[in-house]
Amino acid sequence: DAGVIQSPRHEVTEMGQEVTLRCKPISGHDYLFWYRQTMMRGLELLIYFNNNVPIDDSGMPEDRFSAKMPNASFSTLKIQPSEPRDSAVYFCASSTLYTETVGYVVGNTEAFFGQGTRLTVV
Amino acid sequence: AQKVTQAQTEISVVEKEDVTLDCVYETRDTTYYLFWYKQPPSGELVFLIRRNSFDEQNEISGRYSWNFQKSTSSFNFTITASQVVDSAVYFCALSEEYNQGGKLIFGQGTELSVKP
Repeated sequence: DAGVIQSPRHEVTEMGQEVTLRCKPISGHDYLFWYRQTMMRGLELLIYFNNNVPIDDSGMPEDRFSAKMPNASFSTLKIQPSEPRDSAVYFCASSTLYTETVGYVVGNTEAFFGQGTRLTVV
Repeated sequence: AQKVTQAQTEISVVEKEDVTLDCVYETRDTTYYLFWYKQPPSGELVFLIRRNSFDEQNEISGRYSWNFQKSTSSFNFTITASQVVDSAVYFCALSEEYNQGGKLIFGQGTELSVKP
């Protein structure tokens, strides 16, 4: 598998513009996470999905941020309108539950991260 | 409330020295997972280890070893005979949601610099 794929790798945009970040999770993973990394706040969870359904969006900073997962192989994080304080590295990650015996769920696997999108809003 | 503390912001060592990165966590759950991730200068996050709360055995993988002590809520990471390629930011993380895919709470990270 190619791993978690994010695009673009770098994005520079002007304040007020709409920005869309994209993510393709690892095939077969049923959990998808969006994280943001800044110097001030470190790595923080924005939102996560299970089977394409948003489960917890409490980390989404404000209404300017929205995320969708229309199918199991694609998710977007949109910022509209963007502001300079949104400048950060945005990571997408995916995971699944692991089993030791077929059909018996044991626990969480590790999250596999994409390369990240470095967003700069000027 | 859940929290992960990595008190060491930066560590600098000379190649071949041993170095230990500290991680202390807080959780009310009895079932949880702990992780270490490495972020090299290229920026990606690389998984190193997962440990569940029921397994306090220490683990060794090559030059890397981990010491999990529930009594002190610590999950420390030791690199033996450090190398320049070990230079990176290392994150400790906690996942409380057992069987829920594992959303992570990260520590602030420790930047390790290994000088030749």
